[in-house]
Formats: sequence, C-alpha cells, structure tokens
Amino acid sequence: LAKTTQPISMDSYEGQEVNITCSHNNIATNDYITWYQQFPSQGPRFIIQGYKTKVTNEVASLFIPADRKSSTLSLPRVSLSDTAVYYCLVGDLSNYGGATNKLIFGTGTLLAVQP
Amino acid sequence: DGGITQSPKYLFRKEGQNVTLSCEQNLNHDAMYWYRQDPGQGLRLIYYSQIVNDFQKGDIAEGYSVSREKKESFPLTVTSAQKNPTAFYLCATQASYGYTFGSGTRLTVV
Repeated sequence: LAKTTQPISMDSYEGQEVNITCSHNNIATNDYITWYQQFPSQGPRFIIQGYKTKVTNEVASLFIPADRKSSTLSLPRVSLSDTAVYYCLVGDLSNYGGATNKLIFGTGTLLAVQP
Repeated sequence: DGGITQSPKYLFRKEGQNVTLSCEQNLNHDAMYWYRQDPGQGLRLIYYSQIVNDFQKGDIAEGYSVSREKKESFPLTVTSAQKNPTAFYLCATQASYGYTFGSGTRLTVV
C-alpha cells in the first residue's frame, strides 16, 4: 500500500488559489490518486481522482507529474467555506474491497481560509 | 449523504453497555466499511465487508463486532470490551471510483 505524506496544515485568504501537495513515492502501476474533503462532524466527500497528467472538474484540478510520485490538488479562488481537512489517498480501485487494497487515510491537511 | 444513512447521529453509552450503530445504503455497492476517527486524527479501519455474510477485521477491530446479513446493511456493535469508545464513527461503501461516506455517528461514553 502506498503511503502518502501531506502538510499538516495550510493557511490562505479568500480569493487565493491554494495548492496542496501530496507525496506518494511508492505508488504502484495500478494505483489511482483520490482526494477527499472533510468538514467537522461530517464524512469525507470525494473531490477529484486521477491517474496521470491533469484532471479538472467544477471544484478542483489535480496535477500529476510523469513519475506519479506526487500530486497537487489545486483549489481556485478559495472561500471561507473551503476551510476543511483534505485527504490524499492512493490505491488500486480496480480490485476494491480487498484487504490489500483498502485505502489508508492519513491525518490529512487542514486548510484554514481567512477573510 | 450519497445514499448512505447512519443512525443515530449522536449516541451516549454508559460504562459496560453494548451499543449498535446502524449503517444502511441504497447504492447497491458490495463493499462496506467502518472507520473510527478521533479528534485531529485520520480515519482508522475497524471492519470491512466485501459481500453478504462475509466480513474481515481491520486495523482496530478489538472491542467491536459487525454483521452483514443483507447487502444494504452493515451494523457495528461497540461492545463493553472496547475501553475507549468515544469517537466519531463513519460508515462507507466503495465502488470503482472510490468511497462514499455516511454522515457519521458521534459516540460518547457517559
């Protein structure tokens, strides 16, 4: 299972672009990279997922370099409501549910957005 | 919450009591999971089930028990053997794109 490393916390101001980087040096060939967002007393919510290069949706962008040993979640023009914990997970989703493929949640990155 | 219902939202347990947390899903997903989250920490896996009538221990299964009699339901029992049960409990299902979580149950020992 690929272990991930993220900054414990980040600060930003409203309207800024925020980039959160995740390191996953031992990523396997079949592993995908998935980011989740969690607000206090709620379950994590899927944000974005990718395998390589760049993925963009209505919420965020995910940048993955060619070696796939890291990834960067980019949140454009953050607002106060983006204050949350962001988790980076790496796993083989083609064989989900098994003991060898359960996704591991680290402590995540606490993003604090100030006015 | 994406087709997963956890109840109750808040639960209080007396010392020595067993309590059961409910998790129901209508997503038709085979795999279901229970996680525990303590303040300022990530999620730790308690139990998971890939199919009806089958389940496996996760990393912190001691003091917990589960059943999977129906595809839609995966209840978690916190037994009196769990010495520090106060935490936020999350149920999840998994499809090919990743996890969908319920809204959680906050359990407090009183």
